[in-house]
Amino acid sequence: EAGVAQSPRYKIIEKRQSVAFWCNPISGHATLYWYQQILGQGPKLLIQFQNNGVVDDSQLPKDRFSAERLKGVDSTLKIQPAKLEDSAVYLCAIGNRELFFGEGSRLTVL
Amino acid sequence: EDKVVQSPLSLVVHEGDTVTLNCSYEVTNFRSLLWYKQEKKAPTFLFMLTSSGIEKKSGRLSSILDKKELFSILNITATQTGDSAVYLCAVLGADGLTFGKGTHLIIQP
Repeated sequence: EAGVAQSPRYKIIEKRQSVAFWCNPISGHATLYWYQQILGQGPKLLIQFQNNGVVDDSQLPKDRFSAERLKGVDSTLKIQPAKLEDSAVYLCAIGNRELFFGEGSRLTVL
Repeated sequence: EDKVVQSPLSLVVHEGDTVTLNCSYEVTNFRSLLWYKQEKKAPTFLFMLTSSGIEKKSGRLSSILDKKELFSILNITATQTGDSAVYLCAVLGADGLTFGKGTHLIIQP
């Protein structure tokens, strides 16, 4: 089974501050996803990468969210500036048909 | 826009009971339906279903897909307290993988 390491596990910031999350797939995989999971809801896709390129970022709030995937391996997701409604768990996943998730980064915006 | 609806949203049963979780969907270019179990951490993969009427089984868990009526069920027999979790249904379609809100299952001893 593929492994996905994410960091940090927890982050608390004030609104209007910036935050960055990292995703490090332990096993190489071409397709990488970032999902946002708000409490009580299912994960919502933010962005999908295929190698270095973006396949789908239609639900990414581009005025404040950005993501990149360097060399087709690791990826970062940044929020600048954060809003209260960004409080959520940010999940990184890899795979094609079956997705394997990292443990997520829990963001609290005060 | 692809849509996945799960029911019930929450369910409390006693250990040993059998439960059935429901997932209905409206998806463009359906490719597959997946079930995940989410405890306090990341969702973990349970099943992937692509064909109607073929039951997938793993221990006390089983699932089946009906592509004509656009739904799937996840059955858990002889439930245990370790089955307590949120069960997520997701459908792979034109919009990628779309998740439902999940069913929060609580198994009481």
